[in-house]
Amino acid sequence: AQKITQTQPGMFVQEKEAVTLDCTYDTSDQSYGLFWYKQPSSGEMIFLIYQGSYDEQNATEGRYSLNFQKARKSANLVISASQLGDSAMYFCAIAPSGGTSYGKLTFGQGTILTVHP
Amino acid sequence: DAGVIQSPRHEVTEMGQEVTLRCKPISGHNSLFWYRQTMMRGLELLIYFNNNVPIDDSGMPEDRFSAKMPNASFSTLKIQPSEPRDSAVYFCASSLGDRGRETQYFGPGTRLLVL
Repeated sequence: AQKITQTQPGMFVQEKEAVTLDCTYDTSDQSYGLFWYKQPSSGEMIFLIYQGSYDEQNATEGRYSLNFQKARKSANLVISASQLGDSAMYFCAIAPSGGTSYGKLTFGQGTILTVHP
Repeated sequence: DAGVIQSPRHEVTEMGQEVTLRCKPISGHNSLFWYRQTMMRGLELLIYFNNNVPIDDSGMPEDRFSAKMPNASFSTLKIQPSEPRDSAVYFCASSLGDRGRETQYFGPGTRLLVL
């Protein structure tokens, strides 16, 4: 079984500053992937970034980076130079990379990020 | 490149009616997923297919829900009969399904309201 915990229901950040969204996970799988998705008010789910459990380097995608600490089972999302358009709900998710549950995403409850001008 | 396509985008129906949601995955993807999102339960996986074969339908709430994938480019999720508690946003997602490339890309969703 897998579980994602996002302890911050809401976060506020000033435009142009950096913000960290927390995510901790629990899994019995040896190989897994961690994902972050953004859901703006329009409702679509936008893929942001992926981290494999065996990747040695932290993933980065433009202004997004993933602070992966395997021993602590955390996969925090860092957004640098926040923009007004970053205001949205952010979901952390995990999926096994093998076995019978391969690819099944389990989502956290999400964090609402509000960027202030 | 076209992303995942879902139709209809919005559906309002009355309790007891049949509802059919449609999905076209990204061309070349071999895994397809159906999710439901509600305020109370968040995002839940209903069923997923790999190479058009249903692999896990343990998330399907009850027999009123059924899903098919007759070919690699089309899937349906059917609710018959629909009930007010089925009101939710239903997402379809697809992925390449290869190890290390399992990122799922979501469609825009179908907002279903059952009166």
